[in-house]
Amino acid sequence: DGGITQSPKYLFRKEGQNVTLSCEQNLNHDAMYWYRQDPGQGLRLIYYSQIVNDFQKGDIAEGYSVSREKKESFPLTVTSAQKNPTAFYLCASSFDLGLAGDNEQFFGPGTRLTVL
Amino acid sequence: GQQLNQSPQSMFIQEGEDVSMNCTSSSIFNTWLWYKQDPGEGPVLLIALYKAGELTSNGRLTAQFGITRKDSFLNISASIPSDVGIYFCAGQISSRAYKYIFGTGTRLKVLA
Repeated sequence: DGGITQSPKYLFRKEGQNVTLSCEQNLNHDAMYWYRQDPGQGLRLIYYSQIVNDFQKGDIAEGYSVSREKKESFPLTVTSAQKNPTAFYLCASSFDLGLAGDNEQFFGPGTRLTVL
Repeated sequence: GQQLNQSPQSMFIQEGEDVSMNCTSSSIFNTWLWYKQDPGEGPVLLIALYKAGELTSNGRLTAQFGITRKDSFLNISASIPSDVGIYFCAGQISSRAYKYIFGTGTRLKVLA
């Protein structure tokens, strides 16, 4: 089945540790995104990538890093510099958003990160 | 970051009733998406809208792209208990902008 997978589902981290969240898609999508979701707020964009080996900062990139070495994969690292990392993290992907009528963005199941 | 105004924030309805929710923005959008999210899961795409005035249905769900291009509406007819969840709208400002703006969500609870 085609889709987006994220792992792990739940992640616990001690303060001061870096942690990497996995996101894989087999939809042949060009673009991939990472969002953060906090209670009572809309999704906030952390980073996005339009093509392999290229990525752009979103609205809340501080304390996060990403890589896009393969079209299918877009891992997110939450570094110790992120002041309030406990949140629900969502990965998404889409075809090239420049193509009219094909701008649908699909989400993975999410990873809940808790900092102890 | 920019966010859309989505209303209502939450609503309790009786099973069988129709539901309406909307999103408004000060910006003009060229695409609107509507999602449903269950607790602890990722959002699932319900409907995509691409033209001003467009009306699109997906089963009991109907969504409209506002004529002004600054708003969108989602209606659910004859609600059932499994409609419970959070509904999000998302808007894309221009066809080359690799960013969607998200609403804060409408939490729907259906009373059997």
